[in-house]
Amino acid sequence: GQNIDQPTEMTATEGAIVQINCTYQTSGFNGLFWYQQHAGEAPTFLSYNVLDGLEEKGRFSSFLSRSKGYSYLLLKELQMKDSASYLCAVRDITGGSYIPTFGRGTSLIVHP
Amino acid sequence: DSGVTQTPKHLITATGQRVTLRCSPRSGDLSVYWYQQSLDQGLQFLIQYYNGEERAKGNILERFSAQQFPDLHSELNLSSLELGDSALYFCASSGAGLAGNTDTQYFGPGTRLTVL
Repeated sequence: GQNIDQPTEMTATEGAIVQINCTYQTSGFNGLFWYQQHAGEAPTFLSYNVLDGLEEKGRFSSFLSRSKGYSYLLLKELQMKDSASYLCAVRDITGGSYIPTFGRGTSLIVHP
Repeated sequence: DSGVTQTPKHLITATGQRVTLRCSPRSGDLSVYWYQQSLDQGLQFLIQYYNGEERAKGNILERFSAQQFPDLHSELNLSSLELGDSALYFCASSGAGLAGNTDTQYFGPGTRLTVL
C-alpha cells in the first residue's frame, strides 16, 4: 500500500501564498489527486497529476515529482474561504486496484 | 454541487440497529465508491461497484454490505451498529473506475451517522 504523509496543520495570512506538501511511497504509482474539504462537507476535487511538473488552475497549482515521491499544492492570494482541509490521494496500481488512498489531510487556517 | 446525491443527510440510531444509506451517482457514471470518515481515521475506502458488480473491497466490516442497482444507484447497509460506527459516510462516483482509466472521483454531500 501507500504511505502518504502530509502536515497536520498549517496557518497562513489572507492574501499570502501557502504550499502544502505531500510525500508518498508506492510501487505502482498511477496518479495523485488533491481535494479540498470544508468541515462536515464533501471533498471537492482540485487537481490531478500523473506526469512530472506543474499544473496550474487559477489560484491553485499542483506539482509532482515521481522520482522523489513528492507533490505540493500551492495556493495563491489566500482568501478566508480557503480555510479547509486539503487531502492528498495517491493511486497505486500494484495488485490491480485503482482506488486512490487518501492521506489524513492538512488543515489550513487562513487568518486576517 | 458534484451531481452525486446521498440520503439521508443525518441519521441517529441506537446500538444494535440496522440502517441503509442511499447514493445516486452523477449522470453517466458507472462506478460508485463508499467511504467512511471519522475524526481519528481519515477517509477510508470501503467498497466499489461498477455497473452493478462489486469491483474492489477495502476496509469494510462483515457487518456492512452494499449493492448497486440496475439504475446505478447504490445502497450501503450497516447492521449490528456499534458506537464506533458513528462517522460521516461518503459516496463518490466516477466514469468508469476501471484498470487503465484515470478518471476522477466526485463526492456526494455525505450522511452523518450517529450511533447512541
